[in-house]
Amino acid sequence: QQQVKQSPQSLIVQKGGISIINCAYENTAFDYFPWYQQFPGKGPALLIAIRPDVSEKKEGRFTISFNKSAKQFSLHIMDSQPGDSATYFCAASTGGTSYGKLTFGQGTILTVHP
Amino acid sequence: KAGVTQTPRYLIKTRGQQVTLSCSPISGHRSVSWYQQTPGQGLQFLFEYFSETQRNKGNFPGRFSGRQFSNSRSEMNVSTLELGDSALYLCASSATGGGNQPQHFGDGTRLSIL
Repeated sequence: QQQVKQSPQSLIVQKGGISIINCAYENTAFDYFPWYQQFPGKGPALLIAIRPDVSEKKEGRFTISFNKSAKQFSLHIMDSQPGDSATYFCAASTGGTSYGKLTFGQGTILTVHP
Repeated sequence: KAGVTQTPRYLIKTRGQQVTLSCSPISGHRSVSWYQQTPGQGLQFLFEYFSETQRNKGNFPGRFSGRQFSNSRSEMNVSTLELGDSALYLCASSATGGGNQPQHFGDGTRLSIL
């Protein structure tokens, strides 16, 4: 019940296209859903995060869509650029006593071709 | 503001040895969480410290331990190293470690066990 399932495992997109990564969860106590971007040799960097009371959040070219009833959320990268090539992780946590614990998806390797 | 700093960046040890990893959080952050990242298991939560107290712990054996100092810096110790402990160890800091607070990661310590 603590799992977060992420798909696809890898994704190839042409420059200028839209990259879409999906995540699903079972634990209805999750109430915070961040996305992280990780480049080789670096730690994950927080991209954008959403809470269940919002169905969509946009920051620049990055948008999170959240479907509470389906227990799914997704990351959309508009106008994808070669510099966006990285591994993306969705994550989830509960408020209150989760104290620092993020449950991560398995990651998606995104390659954007020029 | 300086980010999360982890030292050393790389470590090579042999089976049976022990190792200590260090993490300095973002200035003003009092919560430090530790994660293990491997290709097979992904990112897994180890434990979280706040005000020198462990508040949360993941599903790892007792060989994995940590502590936090009064200046919020944290160390993680792994005793009796096994080959399977080879991984990237990441720490993340947040202001107070609440479940819906942004966590910011360091670039990790790459531990290799021979």
